[in-house]
Amino acid sequence: GAGVSQSPSNKVTEKGKDVELRCDPISGHTALYWYRQSLGQGLEFLIYFQGNSAPDKSGLPSDRFSAERTGGSVSTLTIQRTQQEDSAVYLCASSLEAGFEAFFGQGTRLTVV
Amino acid sequence: GNSVTQMEGPVTLSEEAFLTINCTYTATGYPSLFWYVQYPGEGLQLLLKATKADDKGSNKGFEATYRKETTSFHLEKGSVQVSDSAVYFCALSDLRGSNDYKLSFGAGTTVTVRA
Repeated sequence: GAGVSQSPSNKVTEKGKDVELRCDPISGHTALYWYRQSLGQGLEFLIYFQGNSAPDKSGLPSDRFSAERTGGSVSTLTIQRTQQEDSAVYLCASSLEAGFEAFFGQGTRLTVV
Repeated sequence: GNSVTQMEGPVTLSEEAFLTINCTYTATGYPSLFWYVQYPGEGLQLLLKATKADDKGSNKGFEATYRKETTSFHLEKGSVQVSDSAVYFCALSDLRGSNDYKLSFGAGTTVTVRA
């Protein structure tokens, strides 16, 4: 596609439920990143993929968070047993290769009630 | 590890004023440096970049020069407009040093330009 696409754009979920956030990177981009942006805060790194492997998972806040990437393309970020502190905008970005300039999607705004 | 420190905001200035947002970095290798901008209600966009020492990135009237000796990448614009109101993020990636390929971001600086 022309840009990074994320879905859904907004998600409201009840505390304790699981959610899946999807990211479609720019075609041909081998690197994919997930970040989180809480209200009024900066960007918190979660995880990045080079191809289908995740060399750096250091930012995942807890074992409730997981991510996968298949076929070197689409990625899914899963949050299990959501908590209110998980409420944030989840941003996905892709780049031609890891470390190159990254292009961001519009984000998924997650609200846990 | 790699890190970015940028000037805290918020910054409020009048149209046609000069804008500087300071950014310094720590990296174990030889990073590429970026400025991203987030306009109200929009996603992050790459504003400019520099990949080696003394490179100057420029776009939309903004400039930043990669200064290895001072480990800095300050953003400047000579005459701001109301439409420049946004949050600005300094970032780095380190391709040739630590194998730390993720983009590391500063905390962001909110800039408001008044007419």
